[in-house]
Amino acid sequence: AQKITQTQPGMFVQEKEAVTLDCTYDTSDPSYGLFWYKQPSSGEMIFLIYQGSYDQQNATEGRYSLNFQKARKSANLVISASQLGDSAMYFCAMRETYSSASKIIFGSGTRLSIRP
Amino acid sequence: NAGVTQTPKFQVLKTGQSMTLQCAQDMNHEYMSWYRQDPGMGLRLIHYSVGAGITDQGEVPNGYNVSRSTTEDFPLRLLSAAPSQTSVYFCASSYSPSTSGVRNEQFFGPGTRLTVL
Repeated sequence: AQKITQTQPGMFVQEKEAVTLDCTYDTSDPSYGLFWYKQPSSGEMIFLIYQGSYDQQNATEGRYSLNFQKARKSANLVISASQLGDSAMYFCAMRETYSSASKIIFGSGTRLSIRP
Repeated sequence: NAGVTQTPKFQVLKTGQSMTLQCAQDMNHEYMSWYRQDPGMGLRLIHYSVGAGITDQGEVPNGYNVSRSTTEDFPLRLLSAAPSQTSVYFCASSYSPSTSGVRNEQFFGPGTRLTVL
């Protein structure tokens, strides 16, 4: 069965440091996609980055990169040079893509707080 | 494009009342879904749809009904509201993963904050 686990309920990081948010997943589907979303205190869901299971390289989007380790079933988000505006909830999500009838489920999230 | 729109933004119900949360998207997305988010928690999937006329249950479907008569609209019905349904409800849409040449991340509506007394 499809499952997403985020084991860090909360993290504190000093401004300008890099931070890694953990995400592990479980699926029996050979084809899937992994997503990261940011939810600031205002409540909206902001898409950050996507990694497909067959992608040869780790995804990058500006200061965001995804450390994808397929054998370990992990898809950690790395934020380089953290900023105060990065303080938010971060959610990992997964979609099995082998079938078109694929649902997207989310992990429980990590609350990231950036210290000035 | 308006993206994904949800109405109402806020709603207060009494236990036992019924209501419909509206969701619409103008991006011609095949896939639409409803989530609930309880305070300090993640998003739990209620129902989803892969196209007009096709719906399926998610992780927490009890107490909710959906239908998908058009590509654009995906309303969520609360049949008999209970205090346990107090939550923020998000609607989202995306292309189907079988659609080639497009990214299939979900676009979210702004959410509906529902309180059941």
